[in-house]
Amino acid sequence: TQLLEQSPQFLSIQEGENLTVYCNSSSVFSSLQWYRQEPGEGPVLLVTVVTGGEVKKLKRLTFQFGDARKDSSLHITAAQPGDTGLYLCAGRSGNTPLVFGKGTRLSVIA
Amino acid sequence: NAGVTQTPKFRILKIGQSMTLQCTQDMNHNYMYWYRQDPGMGLKLIYYSVGAGITDKGEVPNGYNVSRSTTEDFPLRLELAAPSQTSVYFCASTRGNTDTQYFGPGTRLTVL
Repeated sequence: TQLLEQSPQFLSIQEGENLTVYCNSSSVFSSLQWYRQEPGEGPVLLVTVVTGGEVKKLKRLTFQFGDARKDSSLHITAAQPGDTGLYLCAGRSGNTPLVFGKGTRLSVIA
Repeated sequence: NAGVTQTPKFRILKIGQSMTLQCTQDMNHNYMYWYRQDPGMGLKLIYYSVGAGITDKGEVPNGYNVSRSTTEDFPLRLELAAPSQTSVYFCASTRGNTDTQYFGPGTRLTVL
């Protein structure tokens, strides 16, 4: 069974601060996705990374896929209250279904 | 464009009752999935389908059944509800296995 460990589990920061959350595994993934989930709603895809070492930017969010394709990070610059939510990473190996991590719950305080 | 719709939004069941959670997508996606999300536990795959007439077990299939008679619909059946099935259930669909998963708004189920 492939496992994705996300850290930290909870994070509470002030508006304007920077933060990084992590997604780690002992397994190699062919692709990795990051989702954000707001209370009472389903997860929404933020990004997909497929190449080892790949870096993708989405406004103030920077996503990186590890060189060995076993880990990923999400960095948020100048966090805003609108960034509050549950951040989930999900990995896929070949044609197997996605495996989700437990998530990092982020709270940005104004 | 409605995307993925789920009904009901909330439901309370007594132990031993049965119910069907409905999921419909209007994007003509081949792949559909059912997940459950427990507090602090992320999403766990219950069942999935790669097309009409084809279903496969996920990580936690016990206590559930599914069918896929049409491309649009993927209902999830609970035959004998147990307190351990208290959870939020999400349905999702994708065009292909490696594409973006589009999630419905979820069904919050409580079994007492």
